[in-house]
Amino acid sequence: EDKVVQSPLSLVVHEGDTVTLNCSYEVTNFRSLLWYKQEKKAPTFLFMLTSSGIEKKSGRLSSILDKKELFSILNITATQTGDSAVYLCAPGEDDKIIFGKGTRLHILP
Amino acid sequence: DTGVSQDPRHKITKRGQNVTFRCDPISEHNRLYWYRQTLGQGPEFLTYFQNEAQLEKSRLLSDRFSAERPKGSFSTLEIQRTEQGDSAMYLCASSSELTGLYSYNEQFFGPGTRLTVL
Repeated sequence: EDKVVQSPLSLVVHEGDTVTLNCSYEVTNFRSLLWYKQEKKAPTFLFMLTSSGIEKKSGRLSSILDKKELFSILNITATQTGDSAVYLCAPGEDDKIIFGKGTRLHILP
Repeated sequence: DTGVSQDPRHKITKRGQNVTFRCDPISEHNRLYWYRQTLGQGPEFLTYFQNEAQLEKSRLLSDRFSAERPKGSFSTLEIQRTEQGDSAMYLCASSSELTGLYSYNEQFFGPGTRLTVL
């Protein structure tokens, strides 16, 4: 069974739109949840979330965690073509992180 | 360049051959992770080291796979008797250990080694 479920699996929007990416998880000994962006190369770190309800922001990206509902979202406002990538959610289980399959986001100019 | 490096970047081999990949982590990082990623999937955890100790191995890691980190610095991942199903991107990541409640930190990824088994 999948411990990390991301939705949607793919998304196509126009430049300037706002998108919300979802991640639900079920892991043991949860400690924190990480979001990564992957273009045609290795994943690059976006956020680490450890506490429920506290939004983390970086420019047009923001993310929040709900540890009760085992859920996280990643928002991107005013999307740009450079945001096109796969976004990976990775909750931590014990001393390792478990990746979801990712949401493939494509921004049309 | 002080990031994670991996060598080679690409490897093409024939089924049945052995291959070895190398990962050099960020120098001050004591944790090193190996992942495998296939098309349309997120990275799958294979194994990780804290210093030279291999602390966990995934069920995905068959007996044909072995990883070492002999001096707690670089690591090697060897696949013996390769199969076509081993074709994938092999990613290495490193992080520093945090003490206290959160025992891991952001993992920095290398560029990966893309393996093709013919």
